[in-house]
Amino acid sequence: QVQLVQSGSELKKPGASVKISCKASGYTFTRNAMNWVRQAPGQGLEWMGWINTKTGNPTYVQGFTGRFVFSLDTSVSTAYLQISSLKADDTAVYYCARDGSRATFDYWGQGTLVTVSS
Amino acid sequence: QSALTQPASVSGSPGQSITISCTGTSSDVGGYKYVSWYQQRPGKAPKLMIYEVSNRPSGLSNRFSGSKSGNTASLTISGLQAEDEADYYCSSYTGSSTVFGTGTRVTVL
Repeated sequence: QVQLVQSGSELKKPGASVKISCKASGYTFTRNAMNWVRQAPGQGLEWMGWINTKTGNPTYVQGFTGRFVFSLDTSVSTAYLQISSLKADDTAVYYCARDGSRATFDYWGQGTLVTVSS
Repeated sequence: QSALTQPASVSGSPGQSITISCTGTSSDVGGYKYVSWYQQRPGKAPKLMIYEVSNRPSGLSNRFSGSKSGNTASLTISGLQAEDEADYYCSSYTGSSTVFGTGTRVTVL
């Protein structure tokens, strides 16, 4: 069965960096794109962008450029989200979500809580 | 891209039917058949409930149904049950991106 397992919660200080992993299993990793979604505390879902798992080419939504980097290690079927120069308002749960078809996120990771606090 | 508009909350009694609307524009909901709905229970990841406007993933209860008219998509939950209490989000393809709705809290009275 398809599973996306994300790395655990992180507590970081402002200005630090964090790298979240999303390990896929139960399907051929390169057959489906991977999306990243942010959910700030008490807020809704916000699409951050996606990465083409065949080519490694990332696409970022406006507002998630510069400090946010999507990457892959296809040898271990894992996608990564790195956020640098962390700010307090980066505090959120970050989800990876498999792309089933256009704008259909058919499987989701369990989420990774990133807390940015001094 | 602005978020799709959903009512903040909808409530119903057990056994009743409720409908959640998701209003966009001709550039998203009205322009494509790629509208999805997700259920998110407290502290959990979202779960796909409906895709491509009206299709249910395998194994999902047929109490959940989706439709679309113009720029507005709808999710109907029939035979409301206590376990349906959750947040629900719509999403739509926009031609080059994905946009989510503002989210609706469903309360079972």
